[in-house]
Amino acid sequence: EVQLVESGGGLVKPGESLRLSCAASGFSVSNAWMTWVRQAPGKGLEWIGRIKRKSDGGTTDYAAPVKDRFTISRDDSQETLYLQMNSLKPEDTAVYYCTSGEAWGQGTLVTVSS
Amino acid sequence: DIQMTQSPSSLSASVGDRVTITCRASQNIGNFFNWYQQRPGKAPNLLIYGASSLQSGVPSRFSGSGSGTDFTLIIGSLQPEDFATYYCQQSYSTPLTFGGGTKVEIK
Repeated sequence: EVQLVESGGGLVKPGESLRLSCAASGFSVSNAWMTWVRQAPGKGLEWIGRIKRKSDGGTTDYAAPVKDRFTISRDDSQETLYLQMNSLKPEDTAVYYCTSGEAWGQGTLVTVSS
Repeated sequence: DIQMTQSPSSLSASVGDRVTITCRASQNIGNFFNWYQQRPGKAPNLLIYGASSLQSGVPSRFSGSGSGTDFTLIIGSLQPEDFATYYCQQSYSTPLTFGGGTKVEIK
């Protein structure tokens, strides 16, 4: 069974950093284009970035609101995807999902508040 | 960025009704287009990819059509478990933008 499990969310203050993890089972993160999507409370879905599989270059793309603050990376040996979030802002408060498009994690809540 | 405009933003329908949701892209995206369903408190679930291909395990009452800029999701006969929010998404170019969502509520 394909499963993605996010972790690492929590309450942080503006300007602080947080790293989210997305662990895969029954599925090879290394062979997929993986994406992070977020959803602010009561709002719609927002694409924030993706990482291509290594065979397609392994490059990353980001949405404008998070470019230069967020970094997506992957540990293929651990079948784990990461989202490093720096200089967090209150508007980054959301549930963060990792997804391959077909498979989605359950989401992890990030709250940015003083 | 490509803008995705969904309509309606919400609708009320009864079990057994045929429901149509539309999505318009701000530029030609071919068939690089997906539909997702999201039930309250749950992660999104891929329904349709490539504009019209049914994802494995998704009931056949769901169908998608369209290409270019105009796309449609049809639920042939609404079931109780279909009351949810539906999102369209273009996968043509980054950022891979979503529509604003259509909430399907019980009449």
